[in-house]
Amino acid sequence: DAGITQSPRHKVTETGTPVTLRCHQTENHRYMYWYRQDPGHGLRLIHYSYGVKDTDKGEVSDGYSVSRSKTEDFLLTLESATSSQTSVYFCAIRTGPAGTGELFFGEGSRLTVL
Amino acid sequence: GESVGLHLPTLSVQEGDNSIINCAYSNSASDYFIWYKQESGKGPQFIIDIRSNMDKRQGQRVTVLLNKTVKHLSLQIAATQPGDSAVYFCAEVVHSEKLTFGTGTRLTIIP
Repeated sequence: DAGITQSPRHKVTETGTPVTLRCHQTENHRYMYWYRQDPGHGLRLIHYSYGVKDTDKGEVSDGYSVSRSKTEDFLLTLESATSSQTSVYFCAIRTGPAGTGELFFGEGSRLTVL
Repeated sequence: GESVGLHLPTLSVQEGDNSIINCAYSNSASDYFIWYKQESGKGPQFIIDIRSNMDKRQGQRVTVLLNKTVKHLSLQIAATQPGDSAVYFCAEVVHSEKLTFGTGTRLTIIP
């Protein structure tokens, strides 16, 4: 079974501070994703990665950056957190065949920006 | 648990009855359509998918129907059980590896 660990699971921070969320997978899946989930919006793609050092933007990428220096780790960084970035963040890996949309999600990281 | 959505469409179904959850999509070019289930405090979980050249696919107690003419997708759950209570999302693969999710429907099972 695919395994994803997100850290931290909960974080409270202040406006203007940097925040990094980590996603760690225990298998060798090529594609990794960061989504945010907000009431009324479902899940929205922030960034995704298709290999080490290969990343691309999603629909809500402004204010976020990502890095993938190893296959197993995908980091999401908020350089200067804002209250609008208060959300639940989900990491996912693609476990199905290419182009099918079968993703395995982590448990989520709840971020509160005061 | 995590707050998934405060103003989601809701569906209440008697235990043992069949549930039908509907979804409208917008992109005619989507290749795949997928249903996810999200229980409180957890991440979404893949249920079933259907390719755009199909109109029906069955899984264990679930059936997905695709009507491309009206851009409509539905998920049918047979003999609904308490464990089926969750928020259900439809999603479409629009460009290669990107998924676009709907806003979700909350399914509540009445004992």
